[in-house]
Amino acid sequence: EIVMTQSPATLSVSPGERATLSCRASQSVSSNLAWYQQKPGQAPRLLIYGASTRATGIPARFSGSGSGTEFTLTISSLQSEDFAVYYCQQYNNWPSFGGGTKVEIK
Amino acid sequence: EVQLVESGGGLVQPGRSLRLSCAASGFTFDDYAMHWVRQAPGKGLEWVSGISWNSGSIGYADSVKGRFTISRDNAKNSLYLQMNSLRAEDTALYYCAKESTGYSSSWDPFDYWGQGTLVTVSS
Repeated sequence: EIVMTQSPATLSVSPGERATLSCRASQSVSSNLAWYQQKPGQAPRLLIYGASTRATGIPARFSGSGSGTEFTLTISSLQSEDFAVYYCQQYNNWPSFGGGTKVEIK
Repeated sequence: EVQLVESGGGLVQPGRSLRLSCAASGFTFDDYAMHWVRQAPGKGLEWVSGISWNSGSIGYADSVKGRFTISRDNAKNSLYLQMNSLRAEDTALYYCAKESTGYSSSWDPFDYWGQGTLVTVSS
């Protein structure tokens, strides 16, 4: 089983600022890494797949990078609707999720 | 429009069984692998089980292996999760999720999710 570790657990950011979220895999997952956004009471939404490709309809302020075991999700200028919990997921093998990073208003 | 509608959740005593269903529409169901993902109250996402488009490949999280069984009926556009020997730690919202690529020989991210069905295991 591939263990995904996200940091930090909580990130306090002011609107308009940049947010950088990290995700680490216990073994290489190549570029088979996705990021999801989840808001309270809603199902997760796919943001990024293939480590760096934005899903359909996702704004350009969301970007992903990394390969192997280290990955980053960057939100260039946080909007009010971006405050949520973000999960990384590897799908190089049977899928597994990280524990999540909550992005909250500072 | 892709729709995934879960059903079958409810309150069940420890040790008992429950069968979840996911009705799919808006896409060619038998082209895509499908998964169950759960989320305990106030916690993160946990992958539970997945099944390939032709049921040829099936996997389970260690936490449910030997107790849960995933299946699909492509004629009915439906995904199922048979849950036996339920424990308190199985209490969660159970989501059905669709993979993004059809006829895939590998695993892919999940592009559509249902709204979930709540399973509560308690005496």
